[in-house]
Amino acid sequence: KNEVEQSPQNLTAQEGEFITINCSYSVGISALHWLQQHPGGGIVSLFMLSSGKKKHGRLIATINIQEKHSSLHITASHPRDSAVYICAVPEPIQGAQKLVFGQGTRLTINP
Amino acid sequence: DAMVIQNPRYQVTQFGKPVTLSCSQTLNHNVMYWYQQKSSQAPKLLFHYYDKDFNNEADTPDNFQSRRPNTSFCFLDIRSPGLGDAAMYLCATSSAGTGLAGWEQFFGPGTRLTVL
Repeated sequence: KNEVEQSPQNLTAQEGEFITINCSYSVGISALHWLQQHPGGGIVSLFMLSSGKKKHGRLIATINIQEKHSSLHITASHPRDSAVYICAVPEPIQGAQKLVFGQGTRLTINP
Repeated sequence: DAMVIQNPRYQVTQFGKPVTLSCSQTLNHNVMYWYQQKSSQAPKLLFHYYDKDFNNEADTPDNFQSRRPNTSFCFLDIRSPGLGDAAMYLCATSSAGTGLAGWEQFFGPGTRLTVL
């Protein structure tokens, strides 16, 4: 069973700062998900990546499959980025893929 | 836009009173999942459907049941809700197609269940 660890668990920063959230996992995978959840809200998929780097706007995700490590970066952070960020890895189940979630990183961006 | 829809967004029920949560999808995905997320915890998979095949997680209580009458709809039934069942219930779908795209899961907005 894959173990997924995120750091830090909580992060508070000022608007405009560069943010990095880290994720490591114990068993080799082919892809990793980064998800976002606003307080009291549902989950939004930000990225699914299997190698290298992906960028959407101010969000950048990188993955190193050999080192079993991924990072999520936010450039020019904004208070609306305040949310819980979750990394998750797939685990095969009957006909599908179950997500094994990290414990999440609660990000607060102060104006 | 293709999407995953959950109804209601907020549900209040009484201890022991059965409740049904609904999920629908316009993505035509083969797989539908139900997750339970308690406060400050990661989501926990309850069960999933691959087409009409139902797959229960080993530790999902018998109190939780599910129905999938067609590709688009999936229901979560809680037969006798207890106080410990208060949580956010998330529905998700995936296509189960070949390659990486088949693994991506699309989540609904969730239903927050309160048990009085």
